[in-house]
Amino acid sequence: EPEVTQTPSHQVTQMGQEVILRCVPISNHLYFYWYRQILGQKVEFLVSFYNNEISEKSEIFDDQFSVERPDGSNFTLKIRSTKLEDSAMYFCASRGRGSSPLHFGNGTRLTVT
Amino acid sequence: KNEVEQSPQNLTAQEGEFITINCSYSVGISALHWLQQHPGGGIVSLFMLSSGKKKHGRLIATINIQEKHSSLHITASHPRDSAVYICAVSGGGADGLTFGKGTHLIIQP
Repeated sequence: EPEVTQTPSHQVTQMGQEVILRCVPISNHLYFYWYRQILGQKVEFLVSFYNNEISEKSEIFDDQFSVERPDGSNFTLKIRSTKLEDSAMYFCASRGRGSSPLHFGNGTRLTVT
Repeated sequence: KNEVEQSPQNLTAQEGEFITINCSYSVGISALHWLQQHPGGGIVSLFMLSSGKKKHGRLIATINIQEKHSSLHITASHPRDSAVYICAVSGGGADGLTFGKGTHLIIQP
């Protein structure tokens, strides 16, 4: 069964550094999402992406965050200048058209020191 | 903004018991999702519901749109069912999900 893949599985970075989290969604999917989960807390929506543009973003997704789908297969989340509070598990998800189910990647654990 | 509440937060049961996890939400939705998160962190979609009832193996999910309430049932529970079960709702289209805090389920042999 096709799956969403995320790399790396764990990233450690220093405060103020830029990080890029990478995702390869399922190939015929149309909607792409980033979510995050701070340790011990609930999963939170960051951004959705459809038709090569951002569809919706949450209050968390400020100017420090950006997303790209540069080549039709990868879907990346960039954090420009990381803060300690950006430490979390970041999940990529994708789905097809209509009421098709959502598929999640295994997540990237980001640790900012 | 939708508020999603789950109960119970924690549930420990014996193998074989019938399990019910509840979810309520505050604003009308286009779909409700039940998700499973294992200790390693990965999230798996179990059900997506907009009305009625769905069944997959030992899992049953129901939704009452008028009451803004959904339940997830596990029949003949097994230790491998131990996980966090999360309810999440969406407004439709490319809308992101709003998540509940999850129910931490432990099934003891």
